[in-house]
Amino acid sequence: EAGVVQSPRYKIIEKKQPVAFWCNPISGHNTLYWYRQNLGQGPELLIRYENEEAVDDSQLPKDRFSAERLKGVDSTLKIQPAELGDSAVYLCASSPAGEYSPLHFGNGTRLTVT
Amino acid sequence: SQQGEEDPQALSIQEGENATMNCSYKTSINNLQWYRQNSGRGLVHLILIRSNEREKHSGRLRVTLDTSKKSSSLLITASRAADTASYFCATILTGGGNKLTFGTGTQLKVEL
Repeated sequence: EAGVVQSPRYKIIEKKQPVAFWCNPISGHNTLYWYRQNLGQGPELLIRYENEEAVDDSQLPKDRFSAERLKGVDSTLKIQPAELGDSAVYLCASSPAGEYSPLHFGNGTRLTVT
Repeated sequence: SQQGEEDPQALSIQEGENATMNCSYKTSINNLQWYRQNSGRGLVHLILIRSNEREKHSGRLRVTLDTSKKSSSLLITASRAADTASYFCATILTGGGNKLTFGTGTQLKVEL
């Protein structure tokens, strides 16, 4: 089975510029997550989708972050404008339905804002 | 916010030794999971233990759960250099749906 695919792998931008990350989950997984991981920390949830619906976006900084999951498959996460503090690894994960289903993670996008 | 805290933050052992990592959490859980993360990679699921279970094994991994103390431990027996990674516990809260909240992680280094 193909894993979760994320792109780009690395991104370097100047502050105030926009940036977008893309995620293709495992086929058949209806739950999709975006996490942010700062250096030396555990991942922190930004947004969780059940199919096309964002069921938990309480931790998403909505003034500058947006996300979408059209057709309940691929997802994009956007930051506009980026700030220095947004430098982190952005991880996408997917899982089948159910609270006993483990998450499958992509390798992440490492964002550096200069 | 992070639900769990791992202890120790960093652990260095010799190959062949056992490694024990502990996780404490704050509120009632439905299940607790352990993940491994190699440097520059995504997280990989290792094992899941439900709130009504006390111990679970998978290969060289042994996980225990004490809900009265709100704590869990991960034991890796006969460690190998390839076990060098960061290990995270993560919890699903009771009634929390599919929301998985991660701890702060333990960095394990296994030396030859």
